[in-house]
Amino acid sequence: KQEVTQIPAALSVPEGENLVLNCSFTDSAIYNLQWFRQDPGKGLTSLLLIQSSQREQTSGRLNASLDKSSGRSTLYIAASQPGDSATYLCAKSGSARQLTFGSGTQLTVLP
Amino acid sequence: NAGVTQTPKFQVLKTGQSMTLQCAQDMNHNSMYWYRQDPGMGLRLIYYSASEGTTDKGEVPNGYNVSRLNKREFSLRLESAAPSQTSVYFCASTTDYYGYTFGSGTRLTVV
Repeated sequence: KQEVTQIPAALSVPEGENLVLNCSFTDSAIYNLQWFRQDPGKGLTSLLLIQSSQREQTSGRLNASLDKSSGRSTLYIAASQPGDSATYLCAKSGSARQLTFGSGTQLTVLP
Repeated sequence: NAGVTQTPKFQVLKTGQSMTLQCAQDMNHNSMYWYRQDPGMGLRLIYYSASEGTTDKGEVPNGYNVSRLNKREFSLRLESAAPSQTSVYFCASTTDYYGYTFGSGTRLTVV
C-alpha cells in the first residue's frame, strides 16, 4: 500500500523564520506530487504541483522540491507570516492519477 | 470563478436516510473524485471517475454509490446513512498538467 508520511506533525515558529516541511513516500512510481494548504473548516487550496519530470517548483515565498530516488519532497516557506498558519498536506499520484495524502503538518506562525 | 462546486455545504441526516451529494466542475477536466476526511485518518478516496462514463472504487467505497452524469457532474449517494459516514466530503477534479482542484466540502453528520 502506498504511504505518504509528513514530518513534523505540528510546528510552531516565530514570524519571519524560514522553515521546511518534509514529505516522504514509498513507491517511487510517482506521477505528480502536489502540496496543499487547508485552513480550519475549509477546503484544500493547491499551492504547488511538481510533475515527475521536474525537480522543483516555486511560487512567491514557497518552493517545493521532489527527489524521486529517495522518495522525498520538501516545502520551503521563506519569511513566514502569521497568515501562513494552516495545515499543509502533501499528496502523490501514481499511474492511475489517484492521490494518496499524508496526514499533514499543522503550522502555527506566531506574531 | 472557475472551479469545483459542491452542494450542500452542511447536512444532518438520521440513520437510515438517503441523500445525494452534488459536485460540478467547469474546467473541462476529465477525471473527478470523491474523498472523505476524518480526524486521524486523513483524506481517503471513496470513488473516482477517470472519464465520462466510467467509475471505479477507491479505498473506502462501502456504503456509497456514484454517478458520472456528464463530463461536468459527479454525484455521491448514500443509500442508507450510518453514523460511521459522519465526515467531511470533498469532490475534486484534475488534469495532468494542472493537478487537482478541490471543492469547499460538505460537512455531513449522521445521528
